[in-house]
Parts: sequence; C-alpha cells; structure tokens
Amino acid sequence: AQSVAQPEDQVNVAEGNPLTVKCTYSVSGNPYLFWYVQYPNRGLQFLLKYITGDNLVKGSYGFEAEFNKSQTSFHLKKPSALVSDSALYFCAVRDRASGTYKYIFGTGTRLKVLA
Amino acid sequence: GAVVSQHPSWVICKSGTSVKIECRSLDFQATTMFWYRQFPKQSLMLMATSNEGSKATYEQGVEKDKFLINHASLTLSTLTVTSAHPEDSSFYICSARPPGASYNSPLHFGNGTRLTVT
Repeated sequence: AQSVAQPEDQVNVAEGNPLTVKCTYSVSGNPYLFWYVQYPNRGLQFLLKYITGDNLVKGSYGFEAEFNKSQTSFHLKKPSALVSDSALYFCAVRDRASGTYKYIFGTGTRLKVLA
Repeated sequence: GAVVSQHPSWVICKSGTSVKIECRSLDFQATTMFWYRQFPKQSLMLMATSNEGSKATYEQGVEKDKFLINHASLTLSTLTVTSAHPEDSSFYICSARPPGASYNSPLHFGNGTRLTVT
C-alpha cells in the first residue's frame, strides 16, 4: 500500500538553528513530492515540490528539501529557523502513474521554534 | 493569484441539522475540487473529488448521503453535512485544481472550516 510517513509528531528547535522535518514515502515508481505548511485554523500553503532533476529543491520562505531516492525520503530543511516558522508541516506525494491529482498526505509534523 | 475561499470559517450547529460549506475559486476556474477532513491528530483524509457538472467521486468509507457535494459551476463547490452529529465535528478543507494544471502542479487550498456539532 502506498503511504507517507512523518515519523515525528513534533520537532522543537531553537531560533537560528537549522531545522529538519522528516518524510519518507512508499509509493511505486517515481512520485511527485510536495511540502505544505499549515498555520492554525488555516488551509495548506504550498512550500516546494520535487519533480525531477536536482535532488535539492528550494522553496518559499527559505525552505528547501532533499530528495533521496535510495532512502525514499524527502526531508524538509531550513538553515536558520525563525519563530514564525512554527506551524504544522505536511509532506505529500502524488503517484505519477495514477493519472490522478490525489495526494497521499503524511500525518503532519508540528514545528515549534523557540525564541 | 490562485486564491481559494472557503466559507464559513467556523460554524456551530445542533445535532440533527444540516450545514453547508462553500468553496470558491476566486481568480481561476476550478475544473476539479477536492474535499478533505482533518482529524485532531493532524492527518488529512480525502473525502471526495468533485468535477464541475458531474457527480462527485467519494473515497471508500465516506458516506455520500451524509456528505453531499455539489460542483455546480467552475468556481463553486459545496459540501453539505446532513443530519450532523457530534462525531462530524472536524476541520474541513477544500482544494482546487485549475484547468490545464499538470500532475506535478500543487493544489490551492482554502482556509478550512471548523465545524462543531453540539
């Protein structure tokens, strides 16, 4: 079965420190990979995506993500965390072969950046 | 661009009543809209896919008579929770796909609706 795992329910990091939010997936073939952020009582905002090519993808607000095919991972990273980065982060994959626009979402990771 | 508006932001209703949630694409025509339900432990569950002018496709386990979805125009989809019960209390989020969007394009999400059934 296809799945996306975000192994950490919550990640705490001090402001100014680098952050990593982990995501691994189990999808047949080569999926499209996405990261979204959700602020309280709001919808999801797109951060970045991986389609093909360079394994390091840069996105909005200074975020980047590294695609690792052998480890089937797509971890979200930021060199220097801000308190305003505190939010809920979702990893999502879309199966290229499915011919649909459906996402498989991870369960989300709450990022808390401490001042 | 690509703004999706969801209304209301929050609603409280009594058990047994019905409530309608609207999802509008403000500056583009949405061929396809998706309705998600977000549970307290954070996960998003796809409820159904609605295509303009046709019946919605519901995911397995979602009661189509309970959660009525209508996509009457290219800019509006509605989700009606019929005969709501406290267990229907949740955060409902819609998303929209512009026409011509490729499979690697991100979806555009509304801000969600917090439904509380008392």
